[in-house]
Amino acid sequence: AQTVTQSQPEMSVQEAETVTLSCTYDTSENNYYLFWYKQPPSRQMILVIRQEAYKQQNATENRFSVNFQKAAKSFSLKISDSQLGDTAMYFCAILNYGQNFVFGPGTRLSVLP
Amino acid sequence: EADIYQTPRYLVIGTGKKITLECSQTMGHDKMYWYQQDPGMELHLIHYSYGVNSTEKGDLSSESTVSRIRTEHFPLTLESARPSHTSQYLCASSELDAGRETQYFGPGTRLLVL
Repeated sequence: AQTVTQSQPEMSVQEAETVTLSCTYDTSENNYYLFWYKQPPSRQMILVIRQEAYKQQNATENRFSVNFQKAAKSFSLKISDSQLGDTAMYFCAILNYGQNFVFGPGTRLSVLP
Repeated sequence: EADIYQTPRYLVIGTGKKITLECSQTMGHDKMYWYQQDPGMELHLIHYSYGVNSTEKGDLSSESTVSRIRTEHFPLTLESARPSHTSQYLCASSELDAGRETQYFGPGTRLLVL
């Protein structure tokens, strides 16, 4: 069975600073996909970034980047130059081929002015 | 934002009423999902579908039922609402191709059962 752990229920960061959200997972598969989703308060869940496990290069999307450590089963999200609009719940998720998504419990991030 | 819609966005209803939460997507996605999420908490998969006439129960036991008569439509029905059903319900869809199976979420329906 797959599991996803996010050990930080809540975090805060000053505007313009950098913050890293941690995620660890467990799977017996070799090919899978990892995701970070963002859910702003009372707004729609949206995809932040996605990583294919077979790719060694870490995915980046503008101010968002990941540190993917396959051997350690770690998939952390780094947000650079934090903005007030980054305030949200962040969910880490894993998808094994042919199976359903498994989401972590989420980390509530507050960006402080 | 993705083209996936949910209605109603908010619903307050009395115990024992039958309700249907609507979900539609215009992306032609084969796979659709329903999640239950208490505010600020984790998501629990309650139903999913691989395509027309396919429905499966998720990880969390639910008294709701779903149907998939058309690709774009995946309604969720509660035959007799109870206060324990109070929650947020999120619909999502994705392509079946594992290489492109990113989920797109609807805005959610917040349900309050009195």
